[in-house]
Amino acid sequence: GAVVSQHPSRVICKSGTSVKIECRSLDFQATTMFWYRQFPKKSLMLMATSNEGSKATYEQGVEKDKFLINHASLTLSTLTVTSAHPEDSSFYICSAAPGTVHSNQPQHFGDGTRLSIL
Amino acid sequence: SQQGEEDPQALSIQEGENATMNCSYKTSINNLQWYRQNSGRGLVHLILIRSNEREKHSGRLRVTLDTSKKSSSLLITASRAADTASYFCATDARNYGQNFVFGPGTRLSVLP
Repeated sequence: GAVVSQHPSRVICKSGTSVKIECRSLDFQATTMFWYRQFPKKSLMLMATSNEGSKATYEQGVEKDKFLINHASLTLSTLTVTSAHPEDSSFYICSAAPGTVHSNQPQHFGDGTRLSIL
Repeated sequence: SQQGEEDPQALSIQEGENATMNCSYKTSINNLQWYRQNSGRGLVHLILIRSNEREKHSGRLRVTLDTSKKSSSLLITASRAADTASYFCATDARNYGQNFVFGPGTRLSVLP
């Protein structure tokens, strides 16, 4: 089945550090990947849609300069949390689906990255 | 309330019992999906039910969809301790949606 790998699984760093999270589709190509943020015991909040070869589409209220997304290939999207602060501490999850994304197929999720900013 | 809202928010049952979780949504959809999330992990897709379908089965899982009431239910029969997880419904809230709107989820605890 389709596998999405997310790395790292956990990051602990000091305030002001920039953190890069990778999301890879291991056995399929994904023109579109999604980045979510999840607070404890809460649902997933879509942050942005990562588009291969073009700019990401950010959801309302998400700072594009704070959360930099790069989707340079059909199998890799990266999310960089720039100058991270304690309020950026959260669980970040990516997802992807094979081929051209449309609604009638399931998303495959990475295992998430727990980011803790001290 | 938000699109894809589950109830109950938390459910605790004994092993062997059935667990029923409900999801309500507000807008028209093309399909509705159910996902499972173990603590601290990513989501795993369980079932996708299309708007023209009323019921779907997968092993011990049964999903129903009532588009007139804009609601869906997920039934897990003969629950096991390993079913303990959070369960989310997700709806495609946009035309030719490229992403989904997730409900707040139901935290299921199956006690041995």
